[in-house]
Amino acid sequence: KQEVTQIPAALSVPEGENLVLNCSFTDSAIYNLQWFRQDPGKGLTSLLLIQSSQREQTSGRLNASLDKSSGRSTLYIAASQPGDSATYLCAVTLINAGGTSYGKLTFGQGTILTVHP
Amino acid sequence: DTEVTQTPKHLVMGMTNKKSLKCEQHMGHRAMYWYKQKAKKPPELMFVYSYEKLSINESVPSRFSPECPNSSLLNLHLHALQPEDSALYLCASSQVRDVSYEQYFGPGTRLTVT
Repeated sequence: KQEVTQIPAALSVPEGENLVLNCSFTDSAIYNLQWFRQDPGKGLTSLLLIQSSQREQTSGRLNASLDKSSGRSTLYIAASQPGDSATYLCAVTLINAGGTSYGKLTFGQGTILTVHP
Repeated sequence: DTEVTQTPKHLVMGMTNKKSLKCEQHMGHRAMYWYKQKAKKPPELMFVYSYEKLSINESVPSRFSPECPNSSLLNLHLHALQPEDSALYLCASSQVRDVSYEQYFGPGTRLTVT
């Protein structure tokens, strides 16, 4: 059974700091890994998706890396801002041997990020 | 348009009520998902529809009844719920037979069962 773990559970940093969020998974047979952001009481916003064949993806101040063989991903946030405060979730889509036409996400518990001015 | 919409935003219902949650997307996605999220927990998959057919039911109690009337619309019918069913219900959609299976989420319906 796939298990996804995120470290740390919570992180508080001053504005302007660069930071790294970690995600690990136990089964390397994945289609992709997604990083999401969730504001309190809101839905999930997809930040980055890394295909299993890729090593990293970048979007603005965000950079996500994937090492499938070791079962690890990191989300790097440069020059953090108070508006980055949210819960960050990583999730993996498993490869299904039956070749299903949909993705089944397994989520980590999330990292609660607080960026203070 | 990468938007998934959900209505209502908030719902309060008694344990004897019948209500429905609605989800809609116009991205041409043929896979749609219902998730349940309790406070301070990650989303948990409930159902998956692929090409308007139920593909996954994650052992969800029968008081939750999904329906996919067409490729753009997904409903979740609720009946005789329990207070522990209070949660944020999220809908998502994705392409099918696509290498990315990137899922797009709606804003959710906050359900309170009294």
